[in-house]
Amino acid sequence: DVKVTQSSRYLVKRTGEKVFLECVQDMDHENMFWYRQDPGLGLRLIYFSYDVKMKEKGDIPEGYSVSREKKERFSLILESASTNQTSMYLCASSFTGRSTEAFFGQGTRLTVV
Amino acid sequence: GENVEQHPSTLSVQEGDSAVIKCTYSDSASNYFPWYKQELGKGPQLIIDIRSNVGEKKDQRIAVTLNKTAKHFSLHITETQPEDSAVYFCAASSGDKLTFGTGTRLAVRP
Repeated sequence: DVKVTQSSRYLVKRTGEKVFLECVQDMDHENMFWYRQDPGLGLRLIYFSYDVKMKEKGDIPEGYSVSREKKERFSLILESASTNQTSMYLCASSFTGRSTEAFFGQGTRLTVV
Repeated sequence: GENVEQHPSTLSVQEGDSAVIKCTYSDSASNYFPWYKQELGKGPQLIIDIRSNVGEKKDQRIAVTLNKTAKHFSLHITETQPEDSAVYFCAASSGDKLTFGTGTRLAVRP
């Protein structure tokens, strides 16, 4: 069974803090993604990585950065958290090449106060 | 880039009735159309997908249809059950990145 594991289910951080969200997958997938989920807006892509140390901006990258030092791990970084970054964050992974199924983690609900 | 619209945003049906969710996409290069189900407290999970060389695909009570000319695709759930209650997302892709619709909250009344 494919497993995508996000390090925290719930996180509360203060405005201005640097926040790290971690994601690990065990299927040797080349692609990893970070999405943000908000009511009425669906899932919006923040960043995408197609290989170690490679990244591509998604639709809403402002205020975020990512790191992929190992194939199985993809980190989302909020450099200086703000209240408008309060949201559900979802990590996903997939094989590269022809469009294939993306497997999602359980999500991290981040609250910035 | 790709834009995916999904309707309705909420849907309530009686147990045993059918449910239909519709999506439209903008990029004619899109060739992969998955549907995800998200239960409370969980991440989305693929329930069915269709590629652009196929017009319809069925898996037990779930079916998806694709009209490439009109750029729309639909999810059909027959004989709905309470465990079908969830949020459903459609998506479209022409490569490795998926663009999602805004989701449909389906409630099945017992």
